[in-house]
Amino acid sequence: NAGVMQNPRHLVRRRGQEARLRCSPMKGHSHVYWYRQLPEEGLKFMVYLQKENIIDESGMPKERFSAEFPKEGPSILRIQQVVRGDSAAYFCASSPRGMETQYFGPGTRLLVL
Amino acid sequence: EDQVTQSPEALRLQEGESSSLNCSYTVSGLRGLFWYRQDPGKGPEFLFTLYSAGEEKEKERLKATLTKKESFLHITAPKPEDSATYLCAVQSSVGNEKLTFGTGTRLTIIP
Repeated sequence: NAGVMQNPRHLVRRRGQEARLRCSPMKGHSHVYWYRQLPEEGLKFMVYLQKENIIDESGMPKERFSAEFPKEGPSILRIQQVVRGDSAAYFCASSPRGMETQYFGPGTRLLVL
Repeated sequence: EDQVTQSPEALRLQEGESSSLNCSYTVSGLRGLFWYRQDPGKGPEFLFTLYSAGEEKEKERLKATLTKKESFLHITAPKPEDSATYLCAVQSSVGNEKLTFGTGTRLTIIP
């Protein structure tokens, strides 16, 4: 049973470009969560999605960031017009139902030059 | 606001030297407390979920315990492969499902 998959594993962007991070949840999981880990800081919640719905985006910056989890395909975290402060590791987690253990993917390391 | 504080920040132990990691928390109604292990460059790996004070769970050399204000991760006779950062997180029973993480304890086991 494959775990949570994320791609790309590493992404380099120049300031002002767009970054698209993909997450495929574990088989049978319909709940997806995105977290960000800045250097020397703990993981911070960004957004919680179910298929075709954003349930909680209270941790997501109001501008430039968006997330989706379409009926078909992976969840996407999109960062427009990236800035150096967006450099971080972005982790996706999934669970089979609400209020269940969250299982994490390997992360995408974003570097903004 | 939910808060998690882990101590110590870093811990170096000789192989076989047992110790405990601490996780203190404040949360508006605890739904669950989670322990994860994170190796450099990788995602957090799930270890345990604890739901109520007095609960204990074990896995190999690790045992997690929970009180109303803190959790401990006890490591018995550790081996070098236990070296990692151990993360504690809480989930509130009120509102959304987000995990609130501490900054972790970086554990190094010296052969």
